[in-house]
Amino acid sequence: DAGITQSPRYKITETGRQVTLMCHQTWSHSYMFWYRQDLGHGLRLIYYSAAADITDKGEVPDGYVVSRSKTENFPLTLESATRSQTSVYFCATGLAGVTGELFFGEGSRLTVL
Amino acid sequence: AQRVTQPEKLLSVFKGAPVELKCNYSYSGSPELFWYVQYSRQRLQLLLRHISRESIKGFTADLNKGETSFHLKKPFAQEEDSAMYYCAPPTGANSKLTFGKGITLSVRP
Repeated sequence: DAGITQSPRYKITETGRQVTLMCHQTWSHSYMFWYRQDLGHGLRLIYYSAAADITDKGEVPDGYVVSRSKTENFPLTLESATRSQTSVYFCATGLAGVTGELFFGEGSRLTVL
Repeated sequence: AQRVTQPEKLLSVFKGAPVELKCNYSYSGSPELFWYVQYSRQRLQLLLRHISRESIKGFTADLNKGETSFHLKKPFAQEEDSAMYYCAPPTGANSKLTFGKGITLSVRP
């Protein structure tokens, strides 16, 4: 019973390369989120999805692309990685409704050289 | 938009001292708020939620509508409480769930 898994957990890449971070859930939660965590900025929302084929921008979407063709998967793609995208990325799922809580993955640490 | 603000970045206390981690919110409707915790090298996890009015690991959080606050409190801090704490609003339709910037709690022996 993995719940929510992120892969890869650690990634080193070079400026300009495309990188995809995967997020998979086994709960069928309707909401999925991608956050980045940086010192001094806390958690910042990149993109979120309310259901399959429904995505929307968060606070810091520039340079990122998401898709959600299936409820259980929510990949995050950096089309051309930059050093400023070096961060820890967290995927989260949640149930709809005002009492919903979020369930987080273990995070993916990305370093862009 | 449902927003929360955590005005402090770091709180350092000695073991046994009281702790208050501040969170203020701006809401148009009735707020339902959460506190999340991230221990070192672990994933974020829910600590407590307003609606359940529970006490978890000795922490409580009271919603003060007059001050629009949801401060997290513990009367006697323990070293294992050292972590990053985030205040957050709930998910919901059309909700860009935006966390506060978080506060690092350091409890010294």
